[in-house]
Amino acid sequence: DGGITQSPKYLFRKEGQNVTLSCEQNLNHDAMYWYRQDPGQGLRLIYYSQIVNDFQKGDIAEGYSVSREKKESFPLTVTSAQKNPTAFYLCASSMDRLNTEAFFGQGTRLTVV
Amino acid sequence: AQSVTQLGSHVSVSEGALVLLRCNYSSSVPPYLFWYVQYPNQGLQLLLKYTSAATLVKGINGFEAEFKKSETSFHLTKPSAHMSDAAEYFCAVSTAGGTSYGKLTFGQGTILTVHP
Repeated sequence: DGGITQSPKYLFRKEGQNVTLSCEQNLNHDAMYWYRQDPGQGLRLIYYSQIVNDFQKGDIAEGYSVSREKKESFPLTVTSAQKNPTAFYLCASSMDRLNTEAFFGQGTRLTVV
Repeated sequence: AQSVTQLGSHVSVSEGALVLLRCNYSSSVPPYLFWYVQYPNQGLQLLLKYTSAATLVKGINGFEAEFKKSETSFHLTKPSAHMSDAAEYFCAVSTAGGTSYGKLTFGQGTILTVHP
């Protein structure tokens, strides 16, 4: 089945540690996105990538980093510089610049203690 | 720049009643509009989308939405609510083409509760 796989579903880390969230898609989509979801705030864009080896900052990129070395993979690193990292993180992809419907993974819930 | 406003963070209806979730948008270019549904601790599932074709859009699970340019609205409706419709619903706007295609801007979400 084609889709987007995020792993792990739940992740716990100690404050001050970097952590990497995985996102893989087998839909052959050009673009991939990372969103952060907090209660009552909707989803906010962290980073996006429209092509391999290129990515752009979204609205809340501070404290996060990404890479896009392969078309199917777009990992997100939450660094120790992110002041409030506990949240639900969603990865998405869309086909191309004309077909912008986004498909979402099941999310990773990160808790930093 | 684009933005989305969902009126009402919580909506409660009885089973069998009309569901109406409100969404207004702002966009400097012709928008693409979407409604997504999210069940607890899951990702988002697309209900329906408007991409400049018919203004009345039909989606999955009996939902539909009407694009009204003059009102900058894209309200979601369902004639008869079912218990399984209880979830959080998000309205979103994006644009096609250009350098920022596909970037979705979301509303704050509306939690729909369905009472027996």
